[in-house]
Amino acid sequence: SYELTQSPSVSVYPGQTASITCSGDKLGDKYACWYQQKPGQSPVLVIYQDSKRPSGIPERFSGSNSGNTATLTISGTQAMDEADYYCQVWDSSTGVFGGGTKLTVL
Amino acid sequence: QVQLQESGPGLVKPSETLSLTCTVSGGSISSYYWSWIRQPAGKGLEWIGRIYSSGSTNYNPSLKSRVTMSVDTSKNQFSLNLNSVTAADAAVYFCARAPSGTTTGYYYYYMDVWGKGTTVTVSS
Repeated sequence: SYELTQSPSVSVYPGQTASITCSGDKLGDKYACWYQQKPGQSPVLVIYQDSKRPSGIPERFSGSNSGNTATLTISGTQAMDEADYYCQVWDSSTGVFGGGTKLTVL
Repeated sequence: QVQLQESGPGLVKPSETLSLTCTVSGGSISSYYWSWIRQPAGKGLEWIGRIYSSGSTNYNPSLKSRVTMSVDTSKNQFSLNLNSVTAADAAVYFCARAPSGTTTGYYYYYMDVWGKGTTVTVSS
């Protein structure tokens, strides 16, 4: 089965850029999306089809996907961005999530 | 805007069947895929499966032998049955809308609207 690997944690100072990566075999040949989940809340879609932002998602969220790595970038990180982030793809008729990355805003 | 609401028993006995329903409001259930996802306490997200409004399904291979999904377009609802539950099935269960299709040669699948989730405990 297909596997997506994420670093368990990333830390960033307010105003800096946070990069959260997701790796998988030939991931660049699939569409990746990203979800943000704050404690006690449902996940929220922040990036779909590698780099598209849903309506209402701030421009500081961006995404890319090439080779074996998809990246979620948060520019000018704010305290409100502290959350768990999950990548997800579709492979062999199955949805697959990464293990999640906890973003801490110091 | 579209809203989803999960409902069902919060407590299920071991070896019995977990049954949940997701009610879609503010939009039609037709012409979309709809998904179930779960999250054990303190852990990550696990994809359970999806169902199209016509009834076609895809399931997580690790759960496929125990999972059944159905859809009732007249009620704008879709449902999840998971049989022979154990303590490992205890989790928050989410339903979500899942736009899917092909563009520029690649298949996309993502979940853009989520329910608030419902907690299921497995205990005798």
